[in-house]
Amino acid sequence: QVQLQESGPGLVKPSETLSLTCTVSGGSISGYYWSWIRQPAGKGLEWIGRVHTSGTTNYNPSLKSRVTMSVDRSKNQFSLNLSSVTVADTAVYYCARDSNGWRNYDYWGQGTLVTVSS
Amino acid sequence: DIQMTQSPSSLSASLGDTVTITCRASQTITSYLHWYQQKPGKAPNLLIYAASSLQSGVPSRFSGSGSGTDFTLTISSLQPEDFASYYCQQSYSTPRTFGQGTNLEIK
Repeated sequence: QVQLQESGPGLVKPSETLSLTCTVSGGSISGYYWSWIRQPAGKGLEWIGRVHTSGTTNYNPSLKSRVTMSVDRSKNQFSLNLSSVTVADTAVYYCARDSNGWRNYDYWGQGTLVTVSS
Repeated sequence: DIQMTQSPSSLSASLGDTVTITCRASQTITSYLHWYQQKPGKAPNLLIYAASSLQSGVPSRFSGSGSGTDFTLTISSLQPEDFASYYCQQSYSTPRTFGQGTNLEIK
């Protein structure tokens, strides 16, 4: 059974960079797209972007100037960096696997709350 | 971007009822439409993929239909564990987009 676990600081100061890592266990990271999705408290889901194990990335245009994603196949991990954060970036951040084929999200991490505050 | 419009945004129903949630895409997405259930403090869970295919392990009281721009999620014979939020999501193109969600509450 594939499992995903997010890790990273729970508190980030405004203007700094939010950095999260997702560790994949129970299966190989290779051959899939891996996504980051966030959800502000009480609100809906926002797709941040995705990274393939080949290194190909796609980002949400609304965040593209501030987002970088990467993958480390040797560690079965992928990462998110979001620069110049503001309070509007406070949210629960989820990592998820894009299924091959229909490209839905079949496995999710439990989510990690990141608060932007000084 | 493809806009996904879900309705209603909230819904009250009783145990045993059948409910329907609608999702409309701003342009055709063929069958690249998926439904998720989310409970408080938990990650979303895939219920239906490709508009009408039941994800493994999901009870058969959940069903989906539609293609093109108009889709529905139907939950029959509501059980206590079904009271949650539901989201549709398109994977036809990037950026991936979600509906705003439907909060299903007990009447």
